Amino acid sequence: EPEVTQTPSHQVTQMGQEVILRCVPISNHLYFYWYRQILGQKVEFLVSFYNNEISEKSEIFDDQFSVERPDGSNFTLKIRSTKLEDSAMYFCASRRITTTNEKLFFGSGTQLSVL
Amino acid sequence: AQSVTQLDSQVPVFEEAPVELRCNYSSSVSVYLFWYVQYPNQGLQLLLKYLSGSTLVKGINGFEAEFNKSQTSFHLRKPSVHISDTAEYFCAVSGRDSSYKLIFGSGTRLLVRP
Repeated sequence: EPEVTQTPSHQVTQMGQEVILRCVPISNHLYFYWYRQILGQKVEFLVSFYNNEISEKSEIFDDQFSVERPDGSNFTLKIRSTKLEDSAMYFCASRRITTTNEKLFFGSGTQLSVL
Repeated sequence: AQSVTQLDSQVPVFEEAPVELRCNYSSSVSVYLFWYVQYPNQGLQLLLKYLSGSTLVKGINGFEAEFNKSQTSFHLRKPSVHISDTAEYFCAVSGRDSSYKLIFGSGTRLLVRP
């Protein structure tokens, strides 16, 4: 089965530093998502991306966050100035088309630790 | 808006015993319902989904779930679990629109003991 790939699997950074989390969605997929899970809490929607622009974002996705598809294959999440509360597992996901019976594929996540 | 409640944070069970993982949701609109599984150090994998039609849906690995609209529940069941079923299980809901935005529950850790 095709896979969504996320790198790195674990990233440690200092508070205030910028981090970029990388994802390679499945090649013929058109819709991309970021979710996150703070330890012990729910998996939360952050942002969806289609046709090179954000289609929806949550309240969590403030000005510190940005997403980009720089080269047609990668899909990145940037946190400009990390805070302690940004520590979480970040999941990338993608799907091919809009019909709701089309499965959402998730990556294995990047564990971000902000010190 | 939708929300999902998974009442049990952890469910310990012996191998070959049946198990039920509970999920309740709330929504002002019709929804689609999902169960995802996360094995250690892996991503989220779709177990099964309810879109429409029969309220009993069967998924991978012998799991099934029943949609109960009156009780707003979507409990996950398996008649006989294996050690390999030890994982985190997430119930999720999405509104019937095109965004496919999933709202997740807090997860239930299924711990299967020999």
